[in-house]
Amino acid sequence: ETGVTQSPTHLIKTRGQQVTLRCSSQSGHNTVSWYQQALGQGPQFIFQYYREEENGRGNFPPRFSGLQFPNYSSELNVNALELDDSALYLCASSAGLANYGYTFGSGTRLTVV
Amino acid sequence: KQEVTQIPAALSVPEGENLVLNCSFTDSAIYNLQWFRQDPGKGLTSLLLIQSSQREQTSGRLNASLDKSSGRSTLYIAASQPGDSATYLCAFFRVGTGGFKTIFGAGTRLFVKA
Repeated sequence: ETGVTQSPTHLIKTRGQQVTLRCSSQSGHNTVSWYQQALGQGPQFIFQYYREEENGRGNFPPRFSGLQFPNYSSELNVNALELDDSALYLCASSAGLANYGYTFGSGTRLTVV
Repeated sequence: KQEVTQIPAALSVPEGENLVLNCSFTDSAIYNLQWFRQDPGKGLTSLLLIQSSQREQTSGRLNASLDKSSGRSTLYIAASQPGDSATYLCAFFRVGTGGFKTIFGAGTRLFVKA
């Protein structure tokens, strides 16, 4: 049974650019959620997808968008990057609506310069 | 106002001590609560999950309790070891305006001295 994998592990982008981060859910999981974690802080919830539909969203602007695919893998897209978007981006998957808790990936470290 | 507060923010103890980490939350309508550990620069490792109908969960040297009425959860670590050094995060999952949401605390940074 594979866990949650995220790619890439590290990324450097320039302000104003767009970025796509990817996440493969753990086998058997149909729910995926994304988080932004700034240094020294707890993760902040961005949004959650259940069976390809967004069913929860945190306080992030529309330039943060996502997709979940039929195989339950997922993408996080961020447009018009700002310096404050520099953070660790974490993906988590769950079987059902978090009934069994979340399994997290190792994250993507995004640096915006 | 913080939805989830973790106290203390940081803790340094000698090896062998028993520890209590605290997590308080403002919303009693939680779906479940989960404790995680995070090593520097890494992802989160799940420790314990407590459903809203449960009072506690145990795994090895770890015990987590949940009191929804008072908005508190505690993580008890018995006989701490240097390998326990990490940041411990609590998070609750709820349904509200905007749909499903997971809310994390800022974490407790634990250092266990050999």
